[in-house]
Amino acid sequence: DQQVKQNSPSLSVQEGRISILNCDYTNSMFDYFLWYKKYPAEGPTFLISISSIKDKNEDGRFTVFLNKSAKHLSLHIVPSQPGDSAVYFCAASEGDKLIFGTGTRLQVFP
Amino acid sequence: GAVVSQHPSWVICKSGTSVKIECRSLDFQATTMFWYRQFPKQSLMLMATSNEGSKATYEQGVEKDKFLINHASLTLSTLTVTSAHPEDSSFYICSARDLIWKRGGRGSTQYFGPGTRLLVL
Repeated sequence: DQQVKQNSPSLSVQEGRISILNCDYTNSMFDYFLWYKKYPAEGPTFLISISSIKDKNEDGRFTVFLNKSAKHLSLHIVPSQPGDSAVYFCAASEGDKLIFGTGTRLQVFP
Repeated sequence: GAVVSQHPSWVICKSGTSVKIECRSLDFQATTMFWYRQFPKQSLMLMATSNEGSKATYEQGVEKDKFLINHASLTLSTLTVTSAHPEDSSFYICSARDLIWKRGGRGSTQYFGPGTRLLVL
């Protein structure tokens, strides 16, 4: 049973526009959520996180929104840049463990 | 800071042989390291949690006798795939969590290594 889901396997956005990546979860006990960026044949790189007691966290071009009632979080990237093209994973923290979603491949075109 | 290395980055081996993968935290001490496996176009699946000086904790469905984990120091964990078979071919990634986590700091998350691609012929 997939506890963390990313229902969009891919997303294509024009440079300069906003990219919105979505993530849904089923376990209400998750207390921390994270977004990672991953290039092929590399390990994930931490981007941004949010505690379950907050609904928004912003870091430069990246903003994460959390809607606990809907068990939904999203990552907004604005403005999108070609270098943002990668696979983005959301993850939820359960104690010591991270539960990863299946990833969304973002492509930012000029 | 927070650099994690893995060695080797890729390995090809014959079926039946054993392969050892090293995971090192280069600029911080990690009492806890994690080993993940990723199949093509799939998510990272946690295999086991490696604790310095004690036995690893394996996730359900992961064979502990096949995937041997040793965490002998605060900067090194090793994963040995014993008697490898073609179905063990995958991308193996480790991560390390630094000591700040234990003191209640949040936001210091897991730092991932670059991964090791294993191909068993």
